[in-house]
Amino acid sequence: NAGVTQTPKFQVLKTGQSMTLQCAQDMNHNSMYWYRQDPGMGLRLIYYSASEGTTDKGEVPNGYNVSRLNKREFSLRLESAAPSQTSVYFCASSGGRQWTKNIQYFGAGTRLSVL
Amino acid sequence: GEDVEQSLFLSVREGDSSVINCTYTDSSSTYLYWYKQEPGAGLQLLTYIFSNMDMKQDQRLTVLLNKKDKHLSLRIADTQTGDSAIYFCAETSSSNTGKLIFGQGTTLQVKP
Repeated sequence: NAGVTQTPKFQVLKTGQSMTLQCAQDMNHNSMYWYRQDPGMGLRLIYYSASEGTTDKGEVPNGYNVSRLNKREFSLRLESAAPSQTSVYFCASSGGRQWTKNIQYFGAGTRLSVL
Repeated sequence: GEDVEQSLFLSVREGDSSVINCTYTDSSSTYLYWYKQEPGAGLQLLTYIFSNMDMKQDQRLTVLLNKKDKHLSLRIADTQTGDSAIYFCAETSSSNTGKLIFGQGTTLQVKP
């Protein structure tokens, strides 16, 4: 049982380049989330998808776009990367039998550096 | 607005008890959570407490909830070097969308 899988694990970009971070979950969860983690700032929500076919902005959406491709997959796209987007990105999902408890399950993260 | 606050760092000796504190602002939170993040890894749920409970115990972990003061704590008994990690407190968002609001994380350093 893989849980939440994120690819790639590491990425280095030059300013202005674009890339897509991939996330897939195999727990049949309805809700999926993208966070960024920066030192001393905890986790900040970028975008989330409460169910297949819907996406909503979180706390820090500027510079990002998302696609809920199907129930399993939720991708995060950086159209024109900036050094301020250097961070660790986490995908999470919630739902299933534990949906009332809002417990989120996290992937291992993508470490992104923008030079 | 919704906010969760934690101290950033705690250092203890192996075998001592650790207490990590958290304050939150949303009194309507249904559940409150503690997540653990080991170096280079994602977050793992450690434990959670329902808002109508005062205390929850799970082996070496004790969670205390003071709803009046909006204060949550995590006590780790007999702290081991393997407990060294970042601990995040989180509450459910009042928007009822399944979102969680996370604190900044407390880095626990356990010295041998």
